[in-house]
Amino acid sequence: QQPVQSPQAVILREGEDAVINCSSSKALYSVHWYRQKHGEAPVFLMILLKGGEQKGHEKISASFNEKKQQSSLYLTASQLSYSGTYFCGTEKRAAGNKLTFGGGTRVLVKP
Amino acid sequence: DGGITQSPKYLFRKEGQNVTLSCEQNLNHDAMYWYRQDPGQGLRLIYYSQIVNDFQKGDIAEGYSVSREKKESFPLTVTSAQKNPTAFYLCASSIGPKRSSYNEQFFGPGTRLTVL
Repeated sequence: QQPVQSPQAVILREGEDAVINCSSSKALYSVHWYRQKHGEAPVFLMILLKGGEQKGHEKISASFNEKKQQSSLYLTASQLSYSGTYFCGTEKRAAGNKLTFGGGTRVLVKP
Repeated sequence: DGGITQSPKYLFRKEGQNVTLSCEQNLNHDAMYWYRQDPGQGLRLIYYSQIVNDFQKGDIAEGYSVSREKKESFPLTVTSAQKNPTAFYLCASSIGPKRSSYNEQFFGPGTRLTVL
């Protein structure tokens, strides 16, 4: 039931783009995205709801394909500060507001 | 400043001892959560609470217990029944699904528990 994230890791040069995917086998109500720096707590980036609504940081973009139960997070013109591990968390309405997190995608942005 | 606090930051426990991890929030959030994170892994849900005096088991509740007597507080006890408790423990809170469709979670700084 854990969502599957891909790729597991990605290395970028500053200014390059990347896409991180999160796939679920279950029908979803929402997908959340968080970034965690080493040794720190995860920080909220974006939430996407079934039906198209979304809320998050201005510089972060993401999509939610309800038919495929897949979400993608787009890292555009990456900066050094984008380095960290990105987690998606999926929510099924029947489960209330309980999130199930994926295994994470490690992103390293180099100068 | 509103936020979530966890204490202590580091905790060392001898085998066979129970320990309690503190989590407090002043965000006026209804829902609170406890997660466990092992090195290089994702977050796994231990317990969650959507309202005072009510809580539900998550995916890995065995060996843990919680209470939610106050809206602001959600302490986690790691009991001696938890066979491998060494991990990074994260507490989070959210406004709650009854108050908002956007139910993003805000995390505390975490507690690193090491069993000696």
